[in-house]
Amino acid sequence: QVQLVQSGAELKKPGASVKVTCKASGYIFSKYYMHWLRQAPGQGPEWMGVIDPSGGGTTSARKFLGRLTMTRDTSTSTVFMDLSGLRSEDTAVYYCATYSSGPANFDHWGQGTLVTVSS
Amino acid sequence: EIVLTQSPATLSLSPGERATLSCRASQSVSSYLAWYQQKPGQAPRLLIYDASNRATGVPPRFSGSGSGTDFTLTISGLEPEDFAVYYCQHRSDWPYTFGQGTKLEIK
Repeated sequence: QVQLVQSGAELKKPGASVKVTCKASGYIFSKYYMHWLRQAPGQGPEWMGVIDPSGGGTTSARKFLGRLTMTRDTSTSTVFMDLSGLRSEDTAVYYCATYSSGPANFDHWGQGTLVTVSS
Repeated sequence: EIVLTQSPATLSLSPGERATLSCRASQSVSSYLAWYQQKPGQAPRLLIYDASNRATGVPPRFSGSGSGTDFTLTISGLEPEDFAVYYCQHRSDWPYTFGQGTKLEIK
């Protein structure tokens, strides 16, 4: 079965960067795009961007351009999300998610990684 | 970007009753709309995709309808485990966006 396992919680200071990892298993890694989403406390999910694990191409939501970097390691079926220039508004649970029922229908989610930005 | 507006914000019902949740898009998303259920401390769970298709393992009491800009999630015969927050999400174009959610609470 599809499993997405994310790295642990992070506490960062304003202006710092954070890197979250997502290790996939149970399916052919290169077959399905991997998305990153986040959810601030009390808010709905927010789509951040997507990476093609096969070729490495990425697309980011406009609000994250210049701050969001997504990469992958096909040898370990792992994707990485780097967010720089952190501010308090970036405090959220970050998720990786992929699909099987159709592109961008998020069937499968990681467990989430809490990133707290505080001085 | 496409804005999704969900109503009502909160819905208070009793087990066994029927729940009707709405999602309106600021422009047409064709049938590219999904519904998710989220419980505290958990990731969202996909219920319905492409407006009316149930995801794997979702009970038949959950159904979706609509196209264009107006969509509905119906839960027929609420079970205790159905009380949660529900979100709609479109995949019509980047950026994919979610509604602000409807909280379904026990009356």
